[in-house]
Amino acid sequence: DVKVTQSSRYLVKRTGEKVFLECVQDMDHENMFWYRQDPGLGLRLIYFSYDVKMKEKGDIPEGYSVSREKKERFSLILESASTNQTSMYLCASSLVVGRGQGTDTQYFGPGTRLTVL
Amino acid sequence: SQKIEQNSEALNIQEGKTATLTCNYTNYSPAYLQWYRQDPGRGPVFLLLIRENEKEKRKERLKVTFDTTLKQSLFHITASQPADSATYLCALGEDTGFQKLVFGTGTRLLVSP
Repeated sequence: DVKVTQSSRYLVKRTGEKVFLECVQDMDHENMFWYRQDPGLGLRLIYFSYDVKMKEKGDIPEGYSVSREKKERFSLILESASTNQTSMYLCASSLVVGRGQGTDTQYFGPGTRLTVL
Repeated sequence: SQKIEQNSEALNIQEGKTATLTCNYTNYSPAYLQWYRQDPGRGPVFLLLIRENEKEKRKERLKVTFDTTLKQSLFHITASQPADSATYLCALGEDTGFQKLVFGTGTRLLVSP
């Protein structure tokens, strides 16, 4: 079974702090994703990575950065946390398949509920 | 503009009945569509995938249909059980260079005994 783990289930930080959210997957997946989930807005893609040291902006990258130094680990960084970044953060991974055969089934971690005060 | 719409109101049904959830999309050309289940405080879990050239897919008590003309997918749970209570998300995948999914906001299903 694919396992995606996230470093914390709950996190409370103060405005202006630098925040690191860590995600590790154990299935040698090439793709990794960071989403935030808010009521009424659903899952929104922040950043994704399709290979080590590669990253692409998603739909809402402002205020975030990412790091992927190893294939199994994908970190989300909030450079200076703000209250509007209070949210549930979900990490996911998926296997690269050939174009035209994509299934892109994503495997999600349990989520980190971040509160910024 | 691009939109994926799922019924934001919770669907309440009685145990044993069939639950039907809808996913409508606008201005997308999905190569496939997926359905996920999400329990409170947990990450989504993959349930089913259906490709654009498939009309229907089944897995145990689950059935998904995909109508690219109507731009709609229906997700059915037959003989529903209280344990089926959760939020169900649809997600579209376009056959582009990067393998991303776009998620709907989900519909909450409540199955009462």
